[in-house]
Amino acid sequence: GEDVEQSLFLSVREGDSSVINCTYTDSSSTYLYWYKQEPGAGLQLLTYIFSNMDMKQDQRLTVLLNKKDKHLSLRIADTQTGDSAIYFCAEKPSGNTGKLIFGQGTTLQVKP
Amino acid sequence: GAVVSQHPSRVICKSGTSVKIECRSLDFQATTMFWYRQFPKQSLMLMATSNEGSKATYEQGVEKDKFLINHASLTLSTLTVTSAHPEDSSFYICSARKTGLDEAFFGQGTRLTVV
Repeated sequence: GEDVEQSLFLSVREGDSSVINCTYTDSSSTYLYWYKQEPGAGLQLLTYIFSNMDMKQDQRLTVLLNKKDKHLSLRIADTQTGDSAIYFCAEKPSGNTGKLIFGQGTTLQVKP
Repeated sequence: GAVVSQHPSRVICKSGTSVKIECRSLDFQATTMFWYRQFPKQSLMLMATSNEGSKATYEQGVEKDKFLINHASLTLSTLTVTSAHPEDSSFYICSARKTGLDEAFFGQGTRLTVV
């Protein structure tokens, strides 16, 4: 089946690194995504990683993928108060539908 | 490029009435659009996949007669919540898949409140 799990809450201090974790069950997933949702707003795509990659870095964001353990993480370096939001992990199952399976979302709280 | 616009962003309606939500891809063509529903502090649940010119494919447990989806053109899909009840109050988000690409782009969402 298709299932994506995330921890619900993370609190860090401004300037620290944040690491948000995600596990998924579908080993045939082709892409894995990280989305950011600010209060009352839609989803903003932050980054994604193809399933045959181990790591992807984009400025302050680092995505690590452990395909064997079906574990995905998002590291935000030098976390800022503007990073406070809900972060969703999502997987795209194999097949060509474009459908995404989302985790429950991790609320990141950044304290000054 | 790749902007998806949803309208309205917020709507309040009375029980028993119907509400239409529009999802438009502004600068690209989308053969496939997706409608998600998000309850407070919960994840997004896919409701249906909308394909231009054909009937939508609904996920298990979603009533197709209650949530009417029309994908009449390559840039517009609509979701109509018929005979709305307070339990239909939710955040509805659409995404549009750019023709020929794997990536889907999300609208800003519609907050529906049924009173």
